[in-house]
Amino acid sequence: GAGVSQSPRYKVAKRGQDVALRCDPISGHVSLFWYQQALGQGPEFLTYFQNEAQLDKSGLPSDRFFAERPEGSVSTLKIQRTQQEDSAVYLCASSMTSGGADTQYFGPGTRLTVL
Amino acid sequence: QKEVEQNSGPLSVPEGAIASLNCTYSDRGSQSFFWYRQYSGKSPELIMSIYSNGDKEDGRFTAQLNKASQYVSLLIRDSQPSDSATYLCAPLGNTGKLIFGQGTTLQVKP
Repeated sequence: GAGVSQSPRYKVAKRGQDVALRCDPISGHVSLFWYQQALGQGPEFLTYFQNEAQLDKSGLPSDRFFAERPEGSVSTLKIQRTQQEDSAVYLCASSMTSGGADTQYFGPGTRLTVL
Repeated sequence: QKEVEQNSGPLSVPEGAIASLNCTYSDRGSQSFFWYRQYSGKSPELIMSIYSNGDKEDGRFTAQLNKASQYVSLLIRDSQPSDSATYLCAPLGNTGKLIFGQGTTLQVKP
């Protein structure tokens, strides 16, 4: 079956631009996570959705970051007024149930470069 | 102190040897632990999960957990060049988020 998909795969933005990153989780998966991975580092948690409810956004680095999952399937991570420090790979993961104890399946990521 | 500590490596082992990857974590409340493998330019993929103290074996992989010492390890037997990747240790945090270490880069030399 289809895995987690993300688009675009690569995004180049000028500093100050807004960007929107899309995640299509595995069909029927309840949980959806966003992570940010800087070069040479492990992924860092950004936010978590259980269906359409955003239950944890403690990892969002600033109020420029906003995520939504309005119908409990596709999710969008939006970054306003991008800064150079936002350059990273943004990973989306989904899992079948809530709570996270089951496998999180990762998408291919979106590599964001802010010039 | 970081929540999850891993030696960044690189750890270099000859083909056929045992690779030993280690991880310590700070949250004593963590109950579930995951090892992910990440090839360069790719996304992480789960290779092992462990929830109880002791060893868990799956093919060439063995995960070891010691909650009293807050220590998790991954052993790879008969290492192959295709095992060359970054291995990420990830305890499960509250709300189900994974808390990743920075990863250990493993190089298996033919």
